[in-house]
Amino acid sequence: GAVVSQHPSWVICKSGTSVKIECRSLDFQATTMFWYRQFPKQSLMLMATSNEGSKATYEQGVEKDKFLINHASLTLSTLTVTSAHPEDSSFYICSARDRGGSNEQFFGPGTRLTVL
Amino acid sequence: GENVEQHPSTLSVQEGDSAVIKCTYSDSASNYFPWYKQELGKRPQLIIDIRSNVGEKKDQRIAVTLNKTAKHFSLHITETQPEDSAVYFCAASRGPVEAAGNKLTFGGGTRVLVKP
Repeated sequence: GAVVSQHPSWVICKSGTSVKIECRSLDFQATTMFWYRQFPKQSLMLMATSNEGSKATYEQGVEKDKFLINHASLTLSTLTVTSAHPEDSSFYICSARDRGGSNEQFFGPGTRLTVL
Repeated sequence: GENVEQHPSTLSVQEGDSAVIKCTYSDSASNYFPWYKQELGKRPQLIIDIRSNVGEKKDQRIAVTLNKTAKHFSLHITETQPEDSAVYFCAASRGPVEAAGNKLTFGGGTRVLVKP
């Protein structure tokens, strides 16, 4: 079945530094990947839609200059949290949709970011 | 945009009893409604989904019903077991239409506890 990986699974960084999270579709091509953020005991909130070869589409209230998204290939999207602050600490989850056109999204295992 | 409301936020049931979670949505163009189960610190796992041309779908102990007129859909878990304990999320999206991006809008989640 479709597998999506994320790296790293967890990261701790100092305030002001940048952190890059990778999302890979391992056995299928994904023209579209999605980045979500999930705070403790809350739902998944979509941050942006990442389209291969074009600019990401950000949801209202998400700063595109702070959360840089690059979708350079059909199997890789990256999210860079720039100048991270403690309030950016969260569980970041990506998902990918098979370019075959199915509605189903396949989720990565998530990355827990802690900013000190 | 789409708004998905989910109730209840917590649900405690005795092992063997049934659990029902209800969701309402606002976008009449939504036609794909997945349900996810998420264990603590893990990725959301798709457990069942339904499309708008179907009123009910069943998979062993899990069933989902959809009322497009009323814009609500429900998850039914019968003969609950302790391993059913998790957080369950409903979601809604349009699609499959590339231009729409197939954004998933999630409900707030229901924390289900099955007591042995």
